[in-house]
Amino acid sequence: IVMTQSPATLSVSPGERVTLSCRASQDIDKKLAWYHQRPGQPPRLLVYATSTRATVAPARFSGRGSETEFTLTISSLQSDDIGTFFCQQYQTWPYNFGQGTTLDIK
Amino acid sequence: EVQLGESGAEVVQPGGSLRLSCAASGISFGGYWGHWVRQVPGKGLIWVSHVNPDGSITEYGDSVAGRFTVSRDIAQDTVVLQMNSLTTEDTGVYYCARDRSTSTFVPFRWFDSWGQGILVIVSS
Repeated sequence: IVMTQSPATLSVSPGERVTLSCRASQDIDKKLAWYHQRPGQPPRLLVYATSTRATVAPARFSGRGSETEFTLTISSLQSDDIGTFFCQQYQTWPYNFGQGTTLDIK
Repeated sequence: EVQLGESGAEVVQPGGSLRLSCAASGISFGGYWGHWVRQVPGKGLIWVSHVNPDGSITEYGDSVAGRFTVSRDIAQDTVVLQMNSLTTEDTGVYYCARDRSTSTFVPFRWFDSWGQGILVIVSS
């Protein structure tokens, strides 16, 4: 399964609403996770099962989607949110990741 | 043996071996699945291997099968990756990651905690 994220890069002002997209090459039965990686740090889990927020993830992050189309929304961008966001499917082995969307602050 | 969380990079010649341990990561793997993921600039994140809570089930990505071995170190409550016959294609940052499934047979396959990572460079 190939995971495609868009856009590749994004520049956003603090406080803005941001939506990131992830597309799977086939139906993944909502088995999708999102991670955030700050520069020089390991990835951190934000969302799993498409829309279940991880315990450490702030409430401003929300995920939705089905079949092959998924989104991660940040309701109000904070300066802490810079870095790269990855989606990962876990419906089928191997558990492929998308190439990432890199976010920076305007 | 290289501990994740150690600074710097490990340089290994092609054909060489390296053993990675997640013991210094601060992550408790007891009762959970452990995974290894490689990150290569320009190629994103690549799942490498996993091991179940009692060490009886292991799986590998096609590019490392037959060369890498994942195991558990019960005494240190961690996971270990033995990498043999290394090639330049194995270069990247290696992360250990925890999967919260306690099932012997079925992982969740998403990762709630990640180690700091170690850069492995395979080069002559």
